[in-house]
Amino acid sequence: DVVMTQTPLSLSVTPGQPASISCRSSQSLLHSDGKTYLSWYLHKPGQPPQLLIYKVSNRFSGVPDRFSGDGSGTDFTLKISRVEAEDVGVYYCMQSIELPLMCSFGQGTKLEIK
Amino acid sequence: QVQLQESGPGLVKPSETLSLTCTVSGASMTNYFWSWIRQPPGKGLEWIGYMFHSGTTTSNPSLKSRVTMSVDTSKSQFSLKLTSVTAADTAVYYCAREAGRLVDYWGQGTLVTVSS
Repeated sequence: DVVMTQTPLSLSVTPGQPASISCRSSQSLLHSDGKTYLSWYLHKPGQPPQLLIYKVSNRFSGVPDRFSGDGSGTDFTLKISRVEAEDVGVYYCMQSIELPLMCSFGQGTKLEIK
Repeated sequence: QVQLQESGPGLVKPSETLSLTCTVSGASMTNYFWSWIRQPPGKGLEWIGYMFHSGTTTSNPSLKSRVTMSVDTSKSQFSLKLTSVTAADTAVYYCAREAGRLVDYWGQGTLVTVSS
């Protein structure tokens, strides 16, 4: 099974400042098709999780460009260039490379505003 | 606009079977995987399993022996059954759509409590 490990588990950020969340997988997420199946989700209180980033660095429709993702192999990062109050919630990375298709999430990183 | 809505009992007794249905609107069920994901209180997200519109299913090995999933494309619905539930199965259950190995649309979630 692929294990996803996120750091930090919580962070407190002043509005307008950047934030960064790391996600590490126990094995490479590079698929034989050449794509890397790592996505990021934001779970706001009282709402379902929402997709932010897919295949490492692609922003989903409607996601502000202050969100970006990068990485390769087993190490990935979600960056928020300038945190806004609406960004509070828990961020999860998710892998979807296992065969047969099985997904697993990181433990989550709780973002709070200072 | 793709929408998913979970329905089912909010309270299930220990050792009984949890049954949930997800109704899909705004999208065809063909060519997508339809998933169940849950979040126990105070914990993170746990992927339960998915099914293809053809009926092919895969579930989390930790739950596999207790999980049954089915799909009814004529009603635009898919369902989850989890047998022999315990308090550890208390969670918000989400249905969701998987497309290209990402989860792009989620239901609002439904809280299922296991208690006598």
